Amino acid sequence: AQSVAQPEDQVNVAEGNPLTVKCTYSVSGNPYLFWYVQYPNRGLQFLLKYITGDNLVKGSYGFEAEFNKSQTSFHLKKPSALVSDSALYFCAVSAYNQGGKLIFGQGTELSVKP
Amino acid sequence: GAGVSQSPSNKVTEKGKDVELRCDPISGHTALYWYRQSLGQGLEFLIYFQGNSAPDKSGLPSDRFSAERTGGSVSTLTIQRTQQEDSAVYLCASARAGSTDTQYFGPGTRLTVL
Repeated sequence: AQSVAQPEDQVNVAEGNPLTVKCTYSVSGNPYLFWYVQYPNRGLQFLLKYITGDNLVKGSYGFEAEFNKSQTSFHLKKPSALVSDSALYFCAVSAYNQGGKLIFGQGTELSVKP
Repeated sequence: GAGVSQSPSNKVTEKGKDVELRCDPISGHTALYWYRQSLGQGLEFLIYFQGNSAPDKSGLPSDRFSAERTGGSVSTLTIQRTQQEDSAVYLCASARAGSTDTQYFGPGTRLTVL
């Protein structure tokens, strides 16, 4: 069965510092990995995805993520955090035979302080 | 272009009543998904439609839940005899076609069962 773990409920970062939001996954076969962000009372917004190819994926708003097959991880990173990055972040996984249905982690609340 | 739209944005109903939630996907997207977001369960997959194929209903929590997709476009999620545990935000997403395509989410319908 597929699963995603986001080990931190909350991450606190000072503005201008680098940020990391962690994600590990479990799936049979090759994973398709996604990051979404949710602002208060809004739907999910797509940030980036890994399907195949280069392990480092760049996405919207300066975010990037690195696929690490040996550690089954897909951590989200940004070199310099902004206060406006404060939101709820979800990691999700799918697999080739699952029709695209996403299994989500429980979410990580990112708080960036000035 | 227009994104995924959902209606109503909020729905308050009494226990035991039936409700219908509507989703208008992005034009041309053949894949449509329903998810549920609740405090206790996080984000969970409900049902998936792809073109004219039989839907994947594996995530529906009980037989009180059903969904249809008319003409390959608009979808309606119906909950019969609502229970308090059905209170959640119901999110719809659409994707161009396959399992590697990005899912774009609507703003959601917040359902409150009194």
